[in-house]
Amino acid sequence: AQTVTQSQPEMSVQEAETVTLSCTYDTSESDYYLFWYKQPPSRQMILVIRQEAYKQQNATENRFSVNFQKAAKSFSLKISDSQLGDAAMYFCAYRSYKIGNQFYFGTGTSLTVIP
Amino acid sequence: KAGVTQTPRYLIKTRGQQVTLSCSPISGHRSVSWYQQTPGQGLQFLFEYFSETQRNKGNFPGRFSGRQFSNSRSEMNVSTLELGDSALYLCASSLGAGVNTEAFFGQGTRLTVV
Repeated sequence: AQTVTQSQPEMSVQEAETVTLSCTYDTSESDYYLFWYKQPPSRQMILVIRQEAYKQQNATENRFSVNFQKAAKSFSLKISDSQLGDAAMYFCAYRSYKIGNQFYFGTGTSLTVIP
Repeated sequence: KAGVTQTPRYLIKTRGQQVTLSCSPISGHRSVSWYQQTPGQGLQFLFEYFSETQRNKGNFPGRFSGRQFSNSRSEMNVSTLELGDSALYLCASSLGAGVNTEAFFGQGTRLTVV
């Protein structure tokens, strides 16, 4: 099974500041997708950003961007200008054709935003 | 456009009973996947259905089963409930079956086994 590791169980950031969440993964494949999902207290998983492994350019969605290092198998999420609404659990996930359609999730990082 | 609807939102069952959870995907979506979320094991894949066919199954005992109907609605069933089955069960729907299609999650069903 694929392994996705999030080594930071908890993180905190001051409102308007920048925070980076870490994720590493283990795979022998060259073509796959990586995702960051946000799970607020409402429990619904919301897609934040995704990266296709064959694309070298890092994905960006408004205040959210990733640092994708394929050789290092690292996929970190940077949140700029943090807002109170960013407080949630963040999950890194992996998906590829060869292992079926399912997501492999990391254990999550709980992000607290301090006003 | 309505999102993914899971019912019921909360459920309390007694050990040994069985339970059925329902997931209505976004209109037009044909793929439905189920995940179990627990504090100890995190998010684990249960199964995936596409056009009424199970395409993939996770590493769960046979007590866990599912099905998908012609309208793409899906149900999962857990028989002979154990305390360890207490979890949040999440359903995700996608337009297609490819890994490049976006998955939309429901708010889950919180199952408590006592």
